Amino acid sequence: EPEVTQTPSHQVTQMGQEVILRCVPISNHLYFYWYRQILGQKVEFLVSFYNNEISEKSEIFDDQFSVERPDGSNFTLKIRSTKLEDSAMYFCASSPGARTGGTDTQYFGPGTRLTVL
Amino acid sequence: AQSVAQPEDQVNVAEGNPLTVKCTYSVSGNPYLFWYVQYPNRGLQFLLKYITGDNLVKGSYGFEAEFNKSQTSFHLKKPSALVSDSALYFCAVRAKTGANNLFFGTGTRLTVIP
Repeated sequence: EPEVTQTPSHQVTQMGQEVILRCVPISNHLYFYWYRQILGQKVEFLVSFYNNEISEKSEIFDDQFSVERPDGSNFTLKIRSTKLEDSAMYFCASSPGARTGGTDTQYFGPGTRLTVL
Repeated sequence: AQSVAQPEDQVNVAEGNPLTVKCTYSVSGNPYLFWYVQYPNRGLQFLLKYITGDNLVKGSYGFEAEFNKSQTSFHLKKPSALVSDSALYFCAVRAKTGANNLFFGTGTRLTVIP
């Protein structure tokens, strides 16, 4: 069964450094998402991406964040200058397509645990 | 604004007994409702969803959930719990119109006691 994959599984970085989290969505899916989960808290939406542009973003997704689909398979989240409060588990998700609208199921990857020191 | 409440942080149930994990939601208009499960060091796995139609939806691993519009609830149930069902369960909602992003509850940790 196709799965969303994410690399690395754990990333440790120094405050102020840039990090790139990578995701390979399920092939033939058209919608891509990033969510994050701070330890002990709920899963929060960051951004959705469709047709090579951001379709929705939350208040969390400020100017230090960016997303990109650099090729036909990868979907990346870049954090330009990490802060201590960016420490969290970051989940990538994908869903089939716009034609099915909100009935789409979002399929999640295993997550990347980001630790900012 | 959309939100989900999972009133119980922890649910303990004996193996073989029925289990219920509670979820209530708030959304403008009609909802799409989802349940996901998270095992240790794993991502969120989709269990089931309610879109329209029959209020009782059946999903993976013998789980089911009942949509109750008047009570704005979508409780997850299973007739007979297994030890392997022990995990963290998340309820999520999105509105039928508007953005596709999901709003999650805080999660309920289910422990099935042998």
